[in-house]
Amino acid sequence: EAQVTQNPRYLITVTGKKLTVTCSQNMNHEYMSWYRQDPGLGLRQIYYSMNVEVTDKGDVPEGYKVSRKEKRNFPLILESPSPNQTSLYFCASSQRGPAPNTEAFFGQGTRLTVV
Amino acid sequence: QQQVKQSPQSLIVQKGGISIINCAYENTAFDYFPWYQQFPGKGPALLIAIRPDVSEKKEGRFTISFNKSAKQFSLHIMDSQPGDSATYFCAATSYDKVIFGPGTSLSVIP
Repeated sequence: EAQVTQNPRYLITVTGKKLTVTCSQNMNHEYMSWYRQDPGLGLRQIYYSMNVEVTDKGDVPEGYKVSRKEKRNFPLILESPSPNQTSLYFCASSQRGPAPNTEAFFGQGTRLTVV
Repeated sequence: QQQVKQSPQSLIVQKGGISIINCAYENTAFDYFPWYQQFPGKGPALLIAIRPDVSEKKEGRFTISFNKSAKQFSLHIMDSQPGDSATYFCAATSYDKVIFGPGTSLSVIP
């Protein structure tokens, strides 16, 4: 089954404790991205990757890191989480970049709480 | 900062009625305008999309109307059903980025 898998689905952590949220896709997609979803703000792009070893900042990259060493994986790293990073996070992938007629597939989401 | 505005924030429609959600964008470099549907506990899923060289696109009960000169586009859901109750996001994309609107929570009541 074609899918984007995120882990964990739920995470409660303390301020400053490094964490990684994993994202894996099995569709051989070139483009992957991370979003955070907050009430009233919709989905905001954190980082994206056009292909292996190519990453770039989205609209809200502060406090986050990513890497794309393999095509299928795109982990999101919070080196020193803070309470304002409490949010619902989504990973997404698509065959190419967000070009016309290209559908993005989203994972199930990771709800992160930083206390 | 690039923005996509979306209204209303929430919408209640009776079963069988028409749901209308409006979006507006600023950057004329956007070249694709998808709508995503999100059910509670799930990730967004593509519903319907339109290119700026087309004024209208219809798929079943869902229609996008696009006004390039006004930089506005809207989603119409005809014969709305309780199963359509979800959050809807409009979006605008360029070569490498996607900008989402803040979302509309739709409730279709029997």
